[in-house]
Amino acid sequence: SQQGEEDPQALSIQEGENATMNCSYKTSINNLQWYRQNSGRGLVHLILIRSNEREKHSGRLRVTLDTSKKSSSLLITASRAADTASYFCATVRAGGTSYGKLTFGQGTILTVHP
Amino acid sequence: DAGVTQSPTHLIKTRGQQVTLRCSPKSGHDTVSWYQQALGQGPQFIFQYYEEEERQRGNFPDRFSGHQFPNYSSELNVNALLLGDSALYLCASYTQGAGGPKETQYFGPGTRLLVL
Repeated sequence: SQQGEEDPQALSIQEGENATMNCSYKTSINNLQWYRQNSGRGLVHLILIRSNEREKHSGRLRVTLDTSKKSSSLLITASRAADTASYFCATVRAGGTSYGKLTFGQGTILTVHP
Repeated sequence: DAGVTQSPTHLIKTRGQQVTLRCSPKSGHDTVSWYQQALGQGPQFIFQYYEEEERQRGNFPDRFSGHQFPNYSSELNVNALLLGDSALYLCASYTQGAGGPKETQYFGPGTRLLVL
């Protein structure tokens, strides 16, 4: 079963606009990761945020984590048509026995119109 | 530096048949995980191999089995295929050997399996 939910399921914006995707999860986590997937191909790792971190930046990406609400958000600034893809959050559950097992959400389909 | 590679890219089988998918991890990685991604869904964890042993397993039946070789490459075997096994099968690798685990996992392009 999926760990959590992503919101919205689909997002359509114009080039240059910002895109925000949200992810909720159910259990205590070690870290949370965001991945991008183009047209049903392999997943590309975007950014990882640990449970003791609240915000991370990487280029045009900004990720926040609120462990009290069990939620995370991914912000893509100044979006480009090339950002069109599905975006997934994935969590690694806290506790040594689950290390490395990624539990994914359902994903958000982002479409950026030129 | 080659990333994670998987073969074949596409496969068509009929119900009841058996299939073997292959994965070569990224150079320097010693741990391989397999995921199943149904159309329109997020990937689901099947199992993980480290030091040639299955270390963790998701909620998948025994029809799904695997192997890891001394060179860290891995195979996923599925027996008695069902229509519902049609999916994209993804392999991911990372290292948890010397120097401690590295958290970022790298995914291969996947094998798309269609069961008719």
